[in-house]
Order: sequence, then C-alpha cells, then structure tokens
Amino acid sequence: QKEVEQDPGPLSVPEGAIVSLNCTYSNSAFQYFMWYRQYSRKGPELLMYTYSSGNKEDGRFTAQVDKSSKYISLFIRDSQPSDSATYLCAMNQGAQKLVFGQGTRLTINP
Amino acid sequence: GAGVSQTPSNKVTEKGKYVELRCDPISGHTALYWYRQSLGQGPEFLIYFQGTGAADDSGLPNDRFFAVRPEGSVSTLKIQRTERGDSAVYLCASSPRGGAGQTQYFGPGTRLLVL
Repeated sequence: QKEVEQDPGPLSVPEGAIVSLNCTYSNSAFQYFMWYRQYSRKGPELLMYTYSSGNKEDGRFTAQVDKSSKYISLFIRDSQPSDSATYLCAMNQGAQKLVFGQGTRLTINP
Repeated sequence: GAGVSQTPSNKVTEKGKYVELRCDPISGHTALYWYRQSLGQGPEFLIYFQGTGAADDSGLPNDRFFAVRPEGSVSTLKIQRTERGDSAVYLCASSPRGGAGQTQYFGPGTRLLVL
C-alpha cells in the first residue's frame, strides 16, 4: 500500500463547477500538506500549503486537512478551462523529502 | 527572478549508455532535491542536498545512480549503464534552506528515454 493514495481520474467537469480533489495517507507523522498543479510537460508548481489540520483559502482555492481521518482535500470554485491540469497532493513530516500522490488529471470543459 | 532550470530538456539514449542530467537551482537556495516521475505517477524522491553534501540519498534506486553538487549550487545526476526502466522525467527542486516547512520549487524536468 502506498503512503499517499490519490484517485488518478481522469475527472472532467463543466466550466464554473466546483471541483473536489482528495488524498488519503497512512503516515500519521505527516505535518505539512501541499497541493501542486502540473501542466503537461511542465514541472509541478505549488498551489496551496497547509501545516497540520484546518482550512486555508486562497482566491478560488480552498485546502482542507483532517489529520484525524488522514484525509486532505482541495476545492476549486468557479472552475476555469485554464485550471485543466494534473493536481498532485504532497506531504512530509518535517524531513525534507516530499511524498506525492499519483496525481488527478482534471479537465474543465468550456 | 529565474526559476530552477534543467538541461537537457530531453535526452534519448541507448540501453547501457551513461547519461548526465544537470540542475541549476534558484540563486541562493541551499537545498536541492531530485525526484523521478514515471508516466501517470507522482514524483518519487531520489536525493536531497544541503549545500554540497547529500543529506538524504535514500531514494536512489541502486548504485547506477549517483548525484553531485560540488560547489553547493549546480547539481548533476549521473546514471550509469542505463536501462529501459530508467525512462522517466527527472525533476529537480530547490528551497531556500533545508528543514521543515520549506517550499520546494520545481524545474521543468528532463525527459529521459532509454531505447
């Protein structure tokens, strides 16, 4: 079993929809939780960063962490075609290496 | 400012050959990381440098893989006797310093294809 599980999709939604992306993890020592966005043939870029449990909002994006359930989520409101990309969850426990999920491929249809 | 750069962007080689992949981190970043991303998968950690030294090389798959960072800036990932299974995108990332909670900034990657 992988340390971080993420549904690879693909996920296809109409423009303007609310998108929900999720990851589960098994290592209770993880403390730092990130969401990266990766466009085709590009490197991952950091979208959201959360320490421990709670919510964090940045514009149309909201990240949620529930450490008791070992479950993290990313919500995208008013989704746009430019949001079409692969979304990667990542986490670590204060050690330097990031552990990534498989990535969810998202398409927003105009 | 300039981000993380990686060269070459694409590399095609034959099984058994030696390859070198280069990473130029963001200026002033002391921490540097290498990851490998296979098709349809998330990146997997290979090695982490703090300054010139490898602080964690636990992700290197075997002794055919080696990385250096002699002056604490540019790093080179070296793969000997390449195998078809080494085909992947090799990503480099840097952060201002090592330690907990540091954001890692990724480069565009080098796409390696071993024929």
